[in-house]
Amino acid sequence: AQKVTQAQTEISVVEKEDVTLDCVYETRDTTYYLFWYKQPPSGELVFLIRRNSFDEQNEISGRYSWNFQKSTSSFNFTITASQVVDSAVYFCALSEGLTGANSKLTFGKGITLSVRP
Amino acid sequence: NAGVMQNPRHLVRRRGQEARLRCSPMKGHSHVYWYRQLPEEGLKFMVYLQKENIIDESGMPKERFSAEFPKEGPSILRIQQVVRGDSAAYFCASSPPSLAGNIQYFGAGTRLSVL
Repeated sequence: AQKVTQAQTEISVVEKEDVTLDCVYETRDTTYYLFWYKQPPSGELVFLIRRNSFDEQNEISGRYSWNFQKSTSSFNFTITASQVVDSAVYFCALSEGLTGANSKLTFGKGITLSVRP
Repeated sequence: NAGVMQNPRHLVRRRGQEARLRCSPMKGHSHVYWYRQLPEEGLKFMVYLQKENIIDESGMPKERFSAEFPKEGPSILRIQQVVRGDSAAYFCASSPPSLAGNIQYFGAGTRLSVL
């Protein structure tokens, strides 16, 4: 069975602070995919990143960076110099398997990030 | 380049009525997924469909819930005889034809309120 744990439930920072959102996952598959999604106050889900289990390279996209460590089953997300527009709920998710039949996403409970001006 | 379209955005039903939620996938996407988000919880998988075919319904409640994705038209999630516990946000996602780990693109959701 697959599981995603986001132990932090709410984080509040002041604008321009750096913030790291933690994600720990469990899976028995050797091939799997990890995702982060953002849910702003308007309610839609916005895709941010996908990584596969064979690629442990960290990734940076502007102010966003992701640290994937298989040894600790973690896929953490850092926002550098946070901005008010980063305020949202952030979800980490996992999908398993080699075939499309196993493509359902298992989500963590989400982390509510509030960035104060 | 329209994204995933869900309608209605908000739906109010009285207990015992039926709710029908619609989802039109992104152009070129033939896979549709439905998820439910209860208050204070993450999204829970309900069902995965391809055109005219249910691939995985392991997350669907055994009674009152059904889903379809016909050859023509949107995918429909149908909830019969709604109860208060069905109040939630229902999200649809779509992805391109079958590859593991496909990115799922989500619609804006339908917020169902059962009075």
